[in-house]
Amino acid sequence: DAGITQSPRHKVTETGTPVTLRCHQTENHRYMYWYRQDPGHGLRLIHYSYGVKDTDKGEVSDGYSVSRSKTEDFLLTLESATSSQTSVYFCAISPQGAGEKLFFGSGTQLSVL
Amino acid sequence: ILNVEQSPQSLHVQEGDSTNFTCSFPSSNFYALHWYRWETAKSPEALFVMTLNGDEKKKGRISATLNTKEGYSYLYIKGSQPEDSATYLCAFDSGGGADGLTFGKGTHLIIQP
Repeated sequence: DAGITQSPRHKVTETGTPVTLRCHQTENHRYMYWYRQDPGHGLRLIHYSYGVKDTDKGEVSDGYSVSRSKTEDFLLTLESATSSQTSVYFCAISPQGAGEKLFFGSGTQLSVL
Repeated sequence: ILNVEQSPQSLHVQEGDSTNFTCSFPSSNFYALHWYRWETAKSPEALFVMTLNGDEKKKGRISATLNTKEGYSYLYIKGSQPEDSATYLCAFDSGGGADGLTFGKGTHLIIQP
């Protein structure tokens, strides 16, 4: 795997609690992305970042926020988790963005009860 | 929301046979077309990124073609092997922004010995 680490790998939480997922890269890639994978859907973009403190919303950003204070770390926060946010979350990175292949992390399985 | 369709959804192929499947995407605002292989319990891994109409890419027994004018790409696997069993994802790349990469739902390929 490219140097991408997602933590935690698995998490079970209760509705209404805050949750933060972390993506850490050692590749010094500029672009970082958070996707969610749900049955019957393709990977859907939640948020992405094109540099430190530069982030933008994706297709399914409602209920999520992100932060990128360092090149290597991209955090995804669920301020108040809901059952609809039960999913597998993937972080991805790419050096330049458009036209560049993505490198994916191992995923985080999040269950909101 | 962009429409990226993959067919078939699943496919059973006998070991040694060749196979192919399709990705359909919008013919406007095209920047690149990505193919990824996603093995069970692993992360998606890039196979190809294609940008030019008529482009053909090859990696071992796997190859892909691209028709941007009519909005489709084919992925071919020659002489299927059990290790080819995976979900194959295509992704439409419009070149940046929140719609930067839109994934299809994938073709789940099972190679039967």
